[in-house]
Amino acid sequence: DAKTTQPPSMDCAEGRAANLPCNHSTISGNEYVYWYRQIHSQGPQYIIHGLKNNETNEMASLIITEDRKSSTLILPHATLRDTAVYYCIVRVGDNQGGKLIFGQGTELSVKP
Amino acid sequence: NAGVTQTPKFQVLKTGQSMTLQCAQDMNHNSMYWYRQDPGMGLRLIYYSASEGTTDKGEVPNGYNVSRLNKREFSLRLESAAPSQTSVYFCASRRGGFEAFFGQGTRLTVV
Repeated sequence: DAKTTQPPSMDCAEGRAANLPCNHSTISGNEYVYWYRQIHSQGPQYIIHGLKNNETNEMASLIITEDRKSSTLILPHATLRDTAVYYCIVRVGDNQGGKLIFGQGTELSVKP
Repeated sequence: NAGVTQTPKFQVLKTGQSMTLQCAQDMNHNSMYWYRQDPGMGLRLIYYSASEGTTDKGEVPNGYNVSRLNKREFSLRLESAAPSQTSVYFCASRRGGFEAFFGQGTRLTVV
């Protein structure tokens, strides 16, 4: 699975968009980009995933560059409850199981 | 739905003691995982099981053993606990595809 690089921390003002970057320059054609987040000391929570196209769900949007070497998770209107560690993961999106490796993540602090 | 249930939630062990962390999921998922998270760090994969009857090492398997008892249950055993194994342990399950579901963690202290 390709390695990902994320900034260790970011701040965002409440109500503004939070844009969390992730670099994955060695990504392969069949590898998906996933995002999870971990609030305080709870178990991580799935947010969104994508392969090539931009994706949006009720939680966030995922923008993947055309060369797929980087992506950005966007929380459109960040709230204090979005304060968490956000993990970007790249792996093959198969249905056979396999490893799910987390990196260090980005600690997002949403401030009033 | 209970989702992924881990027991116990908290445990204190003395160095050299053994214990088994239990994990059960009620979502009929094929894959199950055990992670550890040290303070201020990300999650590190200890072992995983892609399907019932199979287990594989993750990033940090030393000092641990696992058993995939059936499709629902995946246990993690510490045979001789060491202070370096003080951590929060998370179990997760995944049907296949993208979304993994995590338990609430077991906070283990080895003194």
